[in-house]
Amino acid sequence: DTGVSQNPRHKITKRGQNVTFRCDPISEHNRLYWYRQTLGQGPEFLTYFQNEAQLEKSRLLSDRFSAERPKGSFSTLEIQRTEQGDSAMYLCASSSITTEAFFGQGTRLTVV
Amino acid sequence: GIQVEQSPPDLILQEGANSTLRCNFSDSVNNLQWFHQNPWGQLINLFYIPSGTKQNGRLSATTVATERYSLLYISSSQTTDSGVYFCAVFRDDKIIFGKGTRLHILP
Repeated sequence: DTGVSQNPRHKITKRGQNVTFRCDPISEHNRLYWYRQTLGQGPEFLTYFQNEAQLEKSRLLSDRFSAERPKGSFSTLEIQRTEQGDSAMYLCASSSITTEAFFGQGTRLTVV
Repeated sequence: GIQVEQSPPDLILQEGANSTLRCNFSDSVNNLQWFHQNPWGQLINLFYIPSGTKQNGRLSATTVATERYSLLYISSSQTTDSGVYFCAVFRDDKIIFGKGTRLHILP
């Protein structure tokens, strides 16, 4: 296992389009997190899964955002009707109950 | 919610200098990590340190959980140490980040 993998690495989309990002966690990790990071800021928590259950969602996650982890393995984050304010780096992390969290390389979204 | 404050926000040093980065948190935490974010945006794990002291080469970290702070020490800085250093605390199944310290090491 080579770590947390995110795809795509970069995405440019027109305002109003839908986008979907994928995260493949470290295989033995049951916890998966999504974060958003804008320029000059620290990563902000979006949502968290334990196995396939989505246990918490930030109020930053508007109804245009949805995340799934269908079989407790990979996860997807979808943004509908993208807005320019959605431009950011989207980061995924995984961990187990007793281990540190590892982050993927991120997906950089640009909405034009 | 819990607040995580990092200081200083920016630090400029000559190569070879030592530095200390601080992380204060407002409530008890389950755990704490230090990360280095590289120029491409990836967060690199440095330390997973709920309490005590750990060392890895030129880097070491100390967390005093009872006093709600952690320190990251970088000795004999190199230009490759440049970047943003984040402290992140584990609380209620979330990982909460500070705003980071941006370190510039000049050759």
